[in-house]
Order: sequence, then C-alpha cells, then structure tokens
Amino acid sequence: EVQLVQSGAEVKKPGESLKISCSTSGYSFTTYWIGWVRQMPGKGLEWMGVIYPGDSDARYSPSFQGQVIISADKSINTAYLQWTNLKASDTAMYYCSRLMGRNTNDPFDHWGQGTLVTVSS
Amino acid sequence: SYELTQPLSVSLALGQTARITCGGNSLGSKSVHWYQKKPGQAPVLVIYKNTNRPSEIPERFSGSKSGTAATLTISRVQVGDEADYYCQVWDSDTAGVFGGGTKLTVL
Repeated sequence: EVQLVQSGAEVKKPGESLKISCSTSGYSFTTYWIGWVRQMPGKGLEWMGVIYPGDSDARYSPSFQGQVIISADKSINTAYLQWTNLKASDTAMYYCSRLMGRNTNDPFDHWGQGTLVTVSS
Repeated sequence: SYELTQPLSVSLALGQTARITCGGNSLGSKSVHWYQKKPGQAPVLVIYKNTNRPSEIPERFSGSKSGTAATLTISRVQVGDEADYYCQVWDSDTAGVFGGGTKLTVL
C-alpha cells in the first residue's frame, strides 16, 4: 500500500527557516515524481513543484522558484520542502503527493495528510 | 504563465447532474486531471488524463474534453459530493497548474 506521511504542524516566526518532510512507503521511491501543493487559508490549491528522487531533477512553478527548495533523500524514501526566510504569507497547509507515473504531466494520485505551517510574530 | 478558468460555484438539487468546466488555451493538447477537495481532508483524484476514473471513484464521475474546455460531470449528485473541485494540467513553460476551483453545493 502506497503511503505518504507528513511531519507535524509547525509554528514559526518571520525570517526563520523550516524544513518539512514527507515519508513514503509501499512503492519505488526513486522512480516516481513527488511534489508539493499549497493551500492558503480559504484559497485554492497551488502547484509548487516536483522532484524525481532518482536523479534529483526538480521542477518548480514560476511562483515558487527561488522561494522554496524541494529535495529528496532516497536512502530513507523521504521528500522535503524547505524555506530559508519564512514570511507570514507562507502560512498555509502543505500537501505532499506522488505523481501517478513517470511523466511530469501525470496526475497526483497519492497524497499525504498535510502539514499546517503558521508563520506569525 | 498558463491559466485554467473554472466557475466559482455550481449549485444544484440532489439527484441532478453537475457539470463543472475548465478552460484554457491549447487545452486540447494537454492531459486534464480533476481533484475533489473537502475541508480538512487531502485532495482526491477523481478523473485523470481527461476521461479516466480511478477504480475507487464511483462511475457517477466522468470527464470529457472538447477544444479548449474540459468538463467534469457528476451524475445523480449526492450530499457527499459537496466539495471543491479543481482541474489541473502540466504546461511546459509554467509546470503544473491548478484551476481556481469550483465549489459544488447540493441543495
């Protein structure tokens, strides 16, 4: 059974750094793209980016390029989403999700439970 | 950047057929996926690659595409179908893109 389990909720201050995780099991981690989706309070879903853990090839939405870092550790089948300088506007629910196939135009078919990030002074 | 356009809301009576549209330039050349999002829950894939339905999704859900518009159709809507629905594609310049979402209300 494919499972994606995300790290717990975080409360941080503006300017701080943060790295949240998505631990996976039940499939070959290195042969499927895995990515992140943001949902700000009361807003819609936003596609942030994906990474192919097999070679660490990462693709970002222009809106998130340079704002976050997506990485993966294939030794522990875990993907990460990282910020170096959090802003209040980063307050949101973040979901990790796996792409169904090996193409970037495949859908997200399995999802983590979400990680709530709150950034407030 | 690439954009997908969805109606903000669709309201209909129990048992009717809901049709949610998704528009975008050159949509005919892209694979469209649809997700259901309920409050407090992770999104669920309901239609992928325009017309395909995951095995766990009821047959009442179907997808189609014609020209620059894709449509998610939900037959015999139930109260449990109330949710936000999002279309999504991959664009070579913009990477992944979600539509703005459509709130389905069952009266």
